Amino acid sequence: DAGITQSPRHKVTETGTPVTLRCHQTENHRYMYWYRQDPGHGLRLIHYSYGVKDTDKGEVSDGYSVSRSKTEDFLLTLESATSSQTSVYFCAISEVGLNTEAFFGQGTRLTVV
Amino acid sequence: GNSVTQMEGPVTLSEEAFLTINCTYTATGYPSLFWYVQYPGEGLQLLLKATKADDKGSNKGFEATYRKETTSFHLEKGSVQVSDSAVYFCALIGSSYSGGYQKVTFGIGTKLQVIP
Repeated sequence: DAGITQSPRHKVTETGTPVTLRCHQTENHRYMYWYRQDPGHGLRLIHYSYGVKDTDKGEVSDGYSVSRSKTEDFLLTLESATSSQTSVYFCAISEVGLNTEAFFGQGTRLTVV
Repeated sequence: GNSVTQMEGPVTLSEEAFLTINCTYTATGYPSLFWYVQYPGEGLQLLLKATKADDKGSNKGFEATYRKETTSFHLEKGSVQVSDSAVYFCALIGSSYSGGYQKVTFGIGTKLQVIP
């Protein structure tokens, strides 16, 4: 199994508070991604990174920011959590190359009350 | 941009029935195509892949053939088991490098329920 660890695995937070989710990899893969998974929407890309300090927005980036100061860590921050951000968040990694697959973490279930 | 289309389901089948989950895509160039599976409470894991036209990916009795002429990558299994109950995602990685990076594009996911 690819070495991807997400933390925390579960979190309940209050509306308006900042929240940071962490993704840590031991595979030295270049690309890292944050997705959210919601019923009826499947997986939607929030942000991704293609190298240290190189990040870009995905399709649902509003209300989220990311940082990647080291190859192995990719942080997702909800600047001021809202109930619409209640979701399951998945981190993924992939190498450079046309035939590469993505490896996923176990997910973080976030509930905003 | 790239896109992947699949039905959401749920698809409900009896054990030993034949399974087909359709997947069509839109992409420029020659993408690589994947099927991922998500078992309850877990993250996604790769089921099979194909990297060029007419390639057939296979794993655990599942198969999918990369059809460029119909832009499809349908997932099939001849005889499903209760343990196959999961959500199945079709995905692609594009062959174009816009700005030097590439993204994974997923379909919405198809939930499969297999009943004894």
